[in-house]
Amino acid sequence: EDQVTQSPEALRLQEGESSSLNCSYTVSGLRGLFWYRQDPGKGPEFLFTLYSAGEEKEKERLKATLTKKESFLHITAPKPEDSATYLCAVQAVGFQKLVFGTGTRLLVSP
Amino acid sequence: EAQVTQNPRYLITVTGKKLTVTCSQNMNHEYMSWYRQDPGLGLRQIYYSMNVEVTDKGDVPEGYKVSRKEKRNFPLILESPSPNQTSLYFCASRLGTATPDTQYFGPGTRLTVL
Repeated sequence: EDQVTQSPEALRLQEGESSSLNCSYTVSGLRGLFWYRQDPGKGPEFLFTLYSAGEEKEKERLKATLTKKESFLHITAPKPEDSATYLCAVQAVGFQKLVFGTGTRLLVSP
Repeated sequence: EAQVTQNPRYLITVTGKKLTVTCSQNMNHEYMSWYRQDPGLGLRQIYYSMNVEVTDKGDVPEGYKVSRKEKRNFPLILESPSPNQTSLYFCASRLGTATPDTQYFGPGTRLTVL
């Protein structure tokens, strides 16, 4: 069964303190790995799609990387507005659905 | 503006009273899906639709129905809601089914069943 595990569950950073969030996955064949940001009471907002090991994508202070077993979301010099829950999801080859992890709650203090 | 809309955003109801949560997208997407989100369990798929008149069960379909009579709309129906269906519900859509396109989510519907 396809599984996604995110760690840590919660992370508290000071403004400017860089860190990484982890997404470990088990899937029969990876069609795509997705990162989303979710603010409290709102729908997930798309950040990145990664398709194959070695791929990297960047957007402002965020950079997502992918290996055959895990993905990292690196946050460089975070700001308070980066506080949110970050969700990772995978889509397996031959399947339409996304399997989500339970997310990492990030809090960035000024 | 490209978007997925849901109504209502908040709903408090009682056990057994039928309700419908509407979902509409204006992006001409083929694929639409319903999820529920519960603390500690993450997002779980309820039903999905690959096109008009084509729907299928997700991971947690019990107690829910859907229909897809038009491409833009994908309502979620709870025929006889129960307290364990209290949750945050999201509708999502993506362009096609052949490639792993980006999935766009609606703003959510917070449902409380008393």
